[in-house]
Amino acid sequence: KQEVTQIPAALSVPEGENLVLNCSFTDSAIYNLQWFRQDPGKGLTSLLLIQSSQREQTSGRLNASLDKSSGRSTLYIAASQPGDSATYLCAVRRNNQGGKLIFGQGTELSVKP
Amino acid sequence: GAGVSQSPRYKVAKRGQDVALRCDPISGHVSLFWYQQALGQGPEFLTYFQNEAQLDKSGLPSDRFFAERPEGSVSTLKIQRTQQEDSAVYLCASSLDRFSAGELFFGEGSRLTVL
Repeated sequence: KQEVTQIPAALSVPEGENLVLNCSFTDSAIYNLQWFRQDPGKGLTSLLLIQSSQREQTSGRLNASLDKSSGRSTLYIAASQPGDSATYLCAVRRNNQGGKLIFGQGTELSVKP
Repeated sequence: GAGVSQSPRYKVAKRGQDVALRCDPISGHVSLFWYQQALGQGPEFLTYFQNEAQLDKSGLPSDRFFAERPEGSVSTLKIQRTQQEDSAVYLCASSLDRFSAGELFFGEGSRLTVL
């Protein structure tokens, strides 16, 4: 059974710091991995989608990497801003389970001005 | 609108009542998903539609939960005889493709509180 773990559960940093959020998964047979952002009381906003054949994806200050063999993904946020404060979730889609995403529990990020 | 729309945004039900939650996916999106998110947790898969066909309902927690998408567009998640443990945010997501390669777009969710 696929399990997704995110570490740390919560993180507080001063504005301007570069930071890394971690996501690990137990079964390397994934189709793709997606990082989401969730603001309090809101739905999920897709940040980056990495296909299993890719090693990384970049969007602005965000960079996500994928290492299937070790079952790990990282989300790197450069020059963090207070507006980055949110919960960040990673989710994996398996090869043989249609569209189902398996989510981690999320990392709650707080960026202090 | 351009995004996934869910209604109602908030629902308070007395234990034992039936509730219905609606999802309007992005126009033209083939795949539609329902997830349940408890407070402080990641979303948990409930069910998946490809057009009007319900291809996976393995995540529905009990036979009190029922989902439908009769015309391959709008979907309704129905919960019968609600229990307190059903309190959660119910998220709907849609995806353009039918081959599981695409990005999921989520609605803002329906927050259900069962008293």
